[in-house]
Amino acid sequence: DTGVSQNPRHKITKRGQNVTFRCDPISEHNRLYWYRQTLGQGPEFLTYFQNEAQLEKSRLLSDRFSAERPKGSFSTLEIQRTEQGDSAMYLCASSPTGNSPLHFGNGTRLTVT
Amino acid sequence: GEDVEQSLFLSVREGDSSVINCTYTDSSSTYLYWYKQEPGAGLQLLTYIFSNMDMKQDQRLTVLLNKKDKHLSLRIADTQTGDSAIYFCAERGSGGYQKVTFGTGTKLQVIP
Repeated sequence: DTGVSQNPRHKITKRGQNVTFRCDPISEHNRLYWYRQTLGQGPEFLTYFQNEAQLEKSRLLSDRFSAERPKGSFSTLEIQRTEQGDSAMYLCASSPTGNSPLHFGNGTRLTVT
Repeated sequence: GEDVEQSLFLSVREGDSSVINCTYTDSSSTYLYWYKQEPGAGLQLLTYIFSNMDMKQDQRLTVLLNKKDKHLSLRIADTQTGDSAIYFCAERGSGGYQKVTFGTGTKLQVIP
């Protein structure tokens, strides 16, 4: 069990560029979550996968955001036409069942200049 | 919707006990969690309690749940400087896919 892995750890991009983050959950965890955390706040839910199916999306997830989990293992989160307001820590978590605690990765910190 | 509230800051002396409090609004919460976040890192699960329990103890950590008042607390005994971090309370609802909602976090400062 190597834990949840997120790449890259840091990303600096210019406004208007597209970025993609990757999350590798704990193996055999079929549930995967994306959260966003801004400074001084708790994590806010973005989206949730059970295996490859995206079952829930927050209203925070605008049309510029898309997430995939094509084979039910790793997941990607893409942000198109980034805005300065997208600057945040993007956290991925996984769990083996619906009642289990979430296990978080160390996050990807996005800075949009 | 679900709401989880915590006080923003707590300062304690090394060796004292710390008590971090949390209130939540979802009366159908199934599980309640405490996470710890150190600077630049993700969230580390500390402990959790099922909603039909009122207390759980795990080494230096004691969780108390008052379901009637929707109040959760985390007590850290013999607080150490390494306990300095932000502590998040979170609750898992029972509806839909059982979303986990986090509070804004309590920053614990341990004074040597």
